[in-house]
Amino acid sequence: GAGVSQTPSNKVTEKGKYVELRCDPISGHTALYWYRQSLGQGPEFLIYFQGTGAADDSGLPNDRFFAVRPEGSVSTLKIQRTERGDSAVYLCASSLKGVTDTQYFGPGTRLTVL
Amino acid sequence: KQEVTQIPAALSVPEGENLVLNCSFTDSAIYNLQWFRQDPGKGLTSLLLIQSSQREQTSGRLNASLDKSSGRSTLYIAASQPGDSATYLCAVRWDSNYQLIWGAGTKLIIKP
Repeated sequence: GAGVSQTPSNKVTEKGKYVELRCDPISGHTALYWYRQSLGQGPEFLIYFQGTGAADDSGLPNDRFFAVRPEGSVSTLKIQRTERGDSAVYLCASSLKGVTDTQYFGPGTRLTVL
Repeated sequence: KQEVTQIPAALSVPEGENLVLNCSFTDSAIYNLQWFRQDPGKGLTSLLLIQSSQREQTSGRLNASLDKSSGRSTLYIAASQPGDSATYLCAVRWDSNYQLIWGAGTKLIIKP
């Protein structure tokens, strides 16, 4: 079956602009996660959805970052007033039920803020 | 503070060798530990998941062990192949946290 997909694969934007990153999880997976990965580092947790609600958003760095999952499937990560420090690979993962299950990752979106 | 450390950051070995990758973590009260593989442009793939009550897990040529008391896990790769070249990451979930806390990874290169 189809895995986790993310669009776009690459996004280049200018400082101060608004961006949206999309994640399509595996069908039927109720849990969805967003991570951010900088070069040479492991992923950094951003937010975890259980169904439509954010069960844990403690990893969001500031109020410029926001994520939604209105119908419990597709999720969008939104970044306002982008800064150069936001440049990273943004990874999405999903799991069948929750945090104790294996997470399946998408290929990521590489965001570059000029 | 709960942290995960992987040393070395990079490792290069000839094809056919058996090798061990290391992961250390603070705070032994973990829920589970996972090993992932990351290939450029292809995201992360879960290799092995070890629950807190387990000592090891095996999948094919891979064997992961867990020693909570010493705060260590190792990933053993037998008879390495060039296709094993990738970055290997260790991630830990502690009881009190939803989050996976990740190491920075070990970049493995298997030379033909």
